[in-house]
Amino acid sequence: EVQLLESGGDLVQPGGSLRLSCAASGFTFFSYAMNWVRQAPGKGPEWVSVISGGGDRTQYADSVRGRFTISRDNSKNTLYLQMNSLGVEDTATYYCAKGNIAGVPAAPYDWGQGTLVTVSS
Amino acid sequence: QSVLTQPPSASGAPGQWVTISCSGGSSNIERNSVYWYQQFPGAAPKLLINKNVQRPSGVPDRFSGSKSGTSASLAISGLRSEDEADYYCAAYDSLSGLFVFGSGTEVTVL
Repeated sequence: EVQLLESGGDLVQPGGSLRLSCAASGFTFFSYAMNWVRQAPGKGPEWVSVISGGGDRTQYADSVRGRFTISRDNSKNTLYLQMNSLGVEDTATYYCAKGNIAGVPAAPYDWGQGTLVTVSS
Repeated sequence: QSVLTQPPSASGAPGQWVTISCSGGSSNIERNSVYWYQQFPGAAPKLLINKNVQRPSGVPDRFSGSKSGTSASLAISGLRSEDEADYYCAAYDSLSGLFVFGSGTEVTVL
């Protein structure tokens, strides 16, 4: 059974930084691309970023490019999202989602339960 | 404003048939696969339809997907109270290089 457990969400001030983690289990981690998708309160999902199974290819939404960095450690079966220069518009629940293939783009297939990031002064 | 347009709401009585539309363009729906997600309040989205028409394991056959040109549809037959949820279509957009979600449709069982 695929299990994805996000952590790292917190209350942070505007301009601050945060690193999210997603621990994966139940599948061959390096064989699948991984996504981050966020959902602001009362809004629909917004795709944020994706990384290939080998970690050599990444893609970002325009809204986060240059501020967020996706990475993965296949030896630890863990996905990361480093978020810098956070703004109030980044307030959302962040989900990690297993892709349906190793390459990018890869549609979100299995989702974790999410971690809440609140940007506020 | 989402690249993929859905009606904000849809409803039907138990046992009826409900269809949700998803309108896009040549760079997304027409060229790439469409995915449908179901989301209950307070829960993560769940993949309902994969690659236009495929149902992942465990998804009842009451749910079906279709695609034609720049539009896609999700149909729910034999509507049940537990189908009350938000439904989102999604697709890769070749022009922007982004995976885009629809605006979402709230389904109510009358």
